[in-house]
This record gives sequence, C-alpha cells and structure tokens, in this order.
Amino acid sequence: QSALTQPRSVSGSPGQSVTISCTGTSSDVGGYDYVSWYQQHPGKTPKLMIYEVTERPSGVPGRFSGSKSGNTASLTISGLQADDEADYYCCSYAGSYTLVFGGGTKLTVL
Amino acid sequence: QITLKESGPTLVNPTQTLTLTCTVSGFSLGASGVAVGWIRQPPGKALEWLALIYWDDDKGYSPSLRRRLTISKDTSKNQVVLSLTNMDPVDTATYYCAHRGGSGWSHYFDYWGQGALVTVSS
Repeated sequence: QSALTQPRSVSGSPGQSVTISCTGTSSDVGGYDYVSWYQQHPGKTPKLMIYEVTERPSGVPGRFSGSKSGNTASLTISGLQADDEADYYCCSYAGSYTLVFGGGTKLTVL
Repeated sequence: QITLKESGPTLVNPTQTLTLTCTVSGFSLGASGVAVGWIRQPPGKALEWLALIYWDDDKGYSPSLRRRLTISKDTSKNQVVLSLTNMDPVDTATYYCAHRGGSGWSHYFDYWGQGALVTVSS
C-alpha cells in the first residue's frame, strides 16, 4: 500500500482557480467513492474540507469542490483567497479497514 | 460537542514501546458505526494513517506498521489506546487521534485531537 500521489506544490493568484490531483490505484481511489481532503495550516490540526469525493462539510465554503475520474481524485479551489494557502492532503479508503493518505500538496497564493 | 485529546510521553527511548491514549467526549465508543483512528505526522512531512478501531472492536492497521501496532479501546473510560513497539528516531512525529465520520465503508476524519508530539531519542 503506497501513499497516494499528489503534486508537491501548486500555486495561483487571488481570484484564480487551482486543482490538486491525487492519484492512487484501483485498490483505493479507483475502487471506492471514499476520498476525503484535508487542509492544514502551519502548526495547526488538519481540517476536513471534502468527504466522499464531492461532499462538503457544513462551514466549508462552496469554493472548494471535489471530483474523481478513474484512479485520480481532484480538489478544486476557486476564487483563491490568501487564507487558502496551506498544505492539502487527500485520503482514500483502501479496503479491509485500511486507509491511505497522499503525500501532501503545498498551495501557495501568489 | 465531540472532542478528542491525546496523552502520553513526549520522549521515548529507542527500542521502547510507545503507548498513547486518546480520551474522547461527545460520543460513545460503543455506539453503532463509531470508529476512532490514529494518524501521525513527522516534522515537516506528510500525514500517515496508522490504525482504526470500530465500535464492535474490529480493527484496521497500516500494512507497513502492522507488526508493531496495537489499538484497543475501553468504552467505559471513553479511551482509545495505541501502542507502537520498537520505537526508532524515524517514529518521531505528532500523533493525532480522530473521529471517523461516515458509516460502513465511508471513512473520513471530521474531528481531530490537538496532537501529541513524541520524540524518540536516547
């Protein structure tokens, strides 16, 4: 079970949109619609942003959206704001009561 | 409201066993569908899922650490305990416990503890 693959970094200007990819296999991302995304600011606890591929917890802005195609899930952030600058992690159910996280992506708001 | 709090040693010697306790409130560890997981994060590195325990005492472990991990719960004390044997400096990390949202195969962590930094050093 290897970590899901995420780009190490992405960047965008305020107001723009960015997409962070999360690539796994048919045993995790591709096999289940149970991908979640977490935002982590420096020194802070991770915060759930998306669950079950596309669902947003209450309180998370509609600017955050999730999708999946095959073995790759994606998190899209539209209307970038300065406070969106953080690390983002994907996580997928991988069967047999196991989970796997991605390697994390650092989002820089230029 | 749901809260979780990790407790345990901040410093362990190499080869020792780490035992961390997660004390929860706002939900019962015995309630149907409930699960609590452990996740760790070495300084400056990514999150790594370690283990899960379910209301019915089913358990899941990271394949890469399975031989060294044990997770258990004491429903009456509202506590989940994680043990990691044969600690090594590479196990230095902040260890989080978290409440699983969802049910069935749906797994996501909607509430997290503040984290406990554990350093492995002699």
